[in-house]
Amino acid sequence: KAGVTQTPRYLIKTRGQQVTLSCSPISGHRSVSWYQQTPGQGLQFLFEYFSETQRNKGNFPGRFSGRQFSNSRSEMNVSTLELGDSALYLCASSKGSNTGELFFGEGSRLTVL
Amino acid sequence: DQQVKQNSPSLSVQEGRISILNCDYTNSMFDYFLWYKKYPAEGPTFLISISSIKDKNEDGRFTVFLNKSAKHLSLHIVPSQPGDSAVYFCAASASTSGTYKYIFGTGTRLKVLA
Repeated sequence: KAGVTQTPRYLIKTRGQQVTLSCSPISGHRSVSWYQQTPGQGLQFLFEYFSETQRNKGNFPGRFSGRQFSNSRSEMNVSTLELGDSALYLCASSKGSNTGELFFGEGSRLTVL
Repeated sequence: DQQVKQNSPSLSVQEGRISILNCDYTNSMFDYFLWYKKYPAEGPTFLISISSIKDKNEDGRFTVFLNKSAKHLSLHIVPSQPGDSAVYFCAASASTSGTYKYIFGTGTRLKVLA
């Protein structure tokens, strides 16, 4: 079965711009989580959606937002980009209980110039 | 406040020997733990999990040990193979949170020498 698909894989933006990243979860998975990976910081939890509702949010500023659609696909948006937003953004899907394995996509590598 | 810590940024091990990767956590509410492996330019892939009702879980060459009193878990890889060279992340969550909020460590880069 198809894995988690993230688009775009790579993108370059300049400071002040905004960006939207997309994630298609594994078929049948209803939970989608987003993580930011930067060197030395590991994976930082951004937010998690389940059935179009945000269930939890990490400690990121309001410039980071997301949503989930009725088909479980999810998008995350970062507005007013800063240099420090350069990172690998990873999406993970899971079946829907609150424990268990996360299945990750390959990530979207964002570079902010 | 780093609730999940992997204090060794890197580890080198000879092929065929045991690799031991360590992880410490501070939140006593954590009761479910995962280990992931990550190659460059790929997303993390799941290795093994353990819940707090167990102190050991084994899957092939991979064994995870959990010491709840010490708030410590470790991943043992025996025997280590060159293909195991990757960054390993541990992650923890509290099932009472009702969500898939996993807190990840900063990772340990394992290099298995042929």
